Amino acid sequence: SQQGEEDPQALSIQEGENATMNCSYKTSINNLQWYRQNSGRGLVHLILIRSNEREKHSGRLRVTLDTSKKSSSLLITASRAADTASYFCAAQTGANNLFFGTGTRLTVIP
Amino acid sequence: GAVVSQHPSWVICKSGTSVKIECRSLDFQATTMFWYRQFPKQSLMLMATSNEGSKATYEQGVEKDKFLINHASLTLSTLTVTSAHPEDSSFYICSARVSSVSIFGPGTRLTVL
Repeated sequence: SQQGEEDPQALSIQEGENATMNCSYKTSINNLQWYRQNSGRGLVHLILIRSNEREKHSGRLRVTLDTSKKSSSLLITASRAADTASYFCAAQTGANNLFFGTGTRLTVIP
Repeated sequence: GAVVSQHPSWVICKSGTSVKIECRSLDFQATTMFWYRQFPKQSLMLMATSNEGSKATYEQGVEKDKFLINHASLTLSTLTVTSAHPEDSSFYICSARVSSVSIFGPGTRLTVL
C-alpha cells in the first residue's frame, strides 16, 4: 500500500496551544496536501505544498515538507475549539493518484 | 468556489438491494471524478476513478461488478452498490479535481441491514 502514515493518531490540547501533526509517505510526490474532516462529513482542502517547496503558510497553518525524509508536518497555531477535527495528509504522485494518510484526530479543549 | 454535492447523504437499505449514489460538480465540469470509501476512524481508500464517457478505472481489490460507476455527463457520476451486504456499510465520498486540489463531496453514509 502506498498509504501514508500520520502521527500522532490522536492529539488532545488546550485551546490556545499549538498542534503539530506529522505525515510520512512512501514514494516520490508531485505535491503533498492536507485536508480536514469533521466527524461524518466530507473533506475540506486546507493547504497544498509542492515537491519543490519546503514551507508554506496559510493563516494559522504552517506546513513543512522534507522530500529527503518523505515527511511533512502541519502546525496549527493558537488552536481553537473549532479546530477539533480529523486531519489527513494526502500525497499526489501522478495526475490522478492521491494517497491519504491514516489521519490524526485533534481535540481542542476549550 | 467549486462545490461537489452528493445525494443521498444517508441511506439505509436491506441486504440484497442496490443503492445508487450521485456525485455532482456544481458550477464546474469534471471529466474525472473519484470515489472513495472510508470506514469509521480510518482513512480514505480510493475505489475507482470515474471518467466521463468511458469506463471507470478500478483500484486493485475493488469489484467492478459490485460497484458500478457511470459518468454520463461532465457534472454527474454515479456509484451503484449492487446487491448490498452489511459489509458494504461505509461512508462513500466522491471528489473532483480543480487544478491540483481535490474538492470533496459531503459523503454518503450507507447502512446495510
